[in-house]
Amino acid sequence: GAVVSQHPSRVICKSGTSVKIECRSLDFQATTMFWYRQFPKQSLMLMATSNEGSKATYEQGVEKDKFLINHASLTLSTLTVTSAHPEDSSFYICSARSGRGRGNEQFFGPGTRLTVL
Amino acid sequence: AQRVTQPEKLLSVFKGAPVELKCNYSYSGSPELFWYVQYSRQRLQLLLRHISRESIKGFTADLNKGETSFHLKKPFAQEEDSAMYYCALSSNSGGYQKVTFGIGTKLQVIP
Repeated sequence: GAVVSQHPSRVICKSGTSVKIECRSLDFQATTMFWYRQFPKQSLMLMATSNEGSKATYEQGVEKDKFLINHASLTLSTLTVTSAHPEDSSFYICSARSGRGRGNEQFFGPGTRLTVL
Repeated sequence: AQRVTQPEKLLSVFKGAPVELKCNYSYSGSPELFWYVQYSRQRLQLLLRHISRESIKGFTADLNKGETSFHLKKPFAQEEDSAMYYCALSSNSGGYQKVTFGIGTKLQVIP
């Protein structure tokens, strides 16, 4: 099956710093990538959808200047949490969709645990 | 606006008993519905989707447009079915795909 990786798996940073999370599709080209946030014991919250080569589409309530998303290639998308604060601490998950022969199935990364001190 | 409702946060059944995980949705157009599963310490993965109309690991789900439901069923639960199950709705509008997940139901199969 298709594999999606995320790096790093866990990051701890000081308040005010920026953190970049990478999402890669390892064995397929991802025309669309999604970024989710998951709070403890809660469901996935879609933050943004990005198509390769174009600007990300953010969900209502998600600050695009705070959560910078870049989908520079068909196998890589990055999420940068700028000027992180403790309330940004969460579990961030990406997923990728190839859209070719697999319909709208999403393949999920393992997630990144961000802790902002 | 699209919404997915999973009314049960936790469902406990005995091994061998039938399982039904409920999912209701609201969407004005023609949605695509999925069930994703997350086993302990593993990532989310697709279990099945309504357009495939297939049975995976003994699970089936039928889209009922009249009741706007997509309940997940299995006639005989097994211990290895214990996991978190998420119902998801995907829609396309103007080339933009939007996905909404339900809150998830934890299935606990008691030996």
